Amino acid sequence: DSGVTQTPKHLITATGQRVTLRCSPRSGDLSVYWYQQSLDQGLQFLIQYYNGEERAKGNILERFSAQQFPDLHSELNLSSLELGDSALYFCASSVASGGAFYEQYFGPGTRLTVT
Amino acid sequence: LAKTTQPISMDSYEGQEVNITCSHNNIATNDYITWYQQFPSQGPRFIIQGYKTKVTNEVASLFIPADRKSSTLSLPRVSLSDTAVYYCLVGDGFQKLVFGTGTRLLVSP
Repeated sequence: DSGVTQTPKHLITATGQRVTLRCSPRSGDLSVYWYQQSLDQGLQFLIQYYNGEERAKGNILERFSAQQFPDLHSELNLSSLELGDSALYFCASSVASGGAFYEQYFGPGTRLTVT
Repeated sequence: LAKTTQPISMDSYEGQEVNITCSHNNIATNDYITWYQQFPSQGPRFIIQGYKTKVTNEVASLFIPADRKSSTLSLPRVSLSDTAVYYCLVGDGFQKLVFGTGTRLLVSP
């Protein structure tokens, strides 16, 4: 158990809909990272927050947005969903900003299926 | 931003030593090298990190030559439970994070 929690575990929705994925980082961690992993693909970095502020942006679509709240939990919002958005979405946290230096602790993921 | 190249897949047998190499020709001075392990439908898990020479922990060793343009993750005496995807990550912590496609290791009895 990494200490990072993600809800929901599974999500099935229709094209055009909007969903929100939630992540609670490990106690004491200030950074949160979001990744997308499509079937048999590598991890695609989406976005990183540190103590409520956006720190780095990866290949995140304009239809996707995220935020980190004062209690440090984070939400990833996906709108106008398309079939190609079906994937595993992982959240990770680290003690400080810098995911290539500080150990990232990954949550169990949210499996999103768009039908 | 350092780009990494790893073999797509490797096969091994139980009890053997496995070495997975990652190439990162444009590694920067401040970059660290980190390896993660991922089992199907689970989040990746940190294995080991290094900057230069050799680092060893209870599960693996990481060898980094003097020019740092590559690194080798060494798993001693693998077991079936080591079947997973292994990712090499290179960066200084202030860049976009690129995990690459990883190396799929299959350990057979």
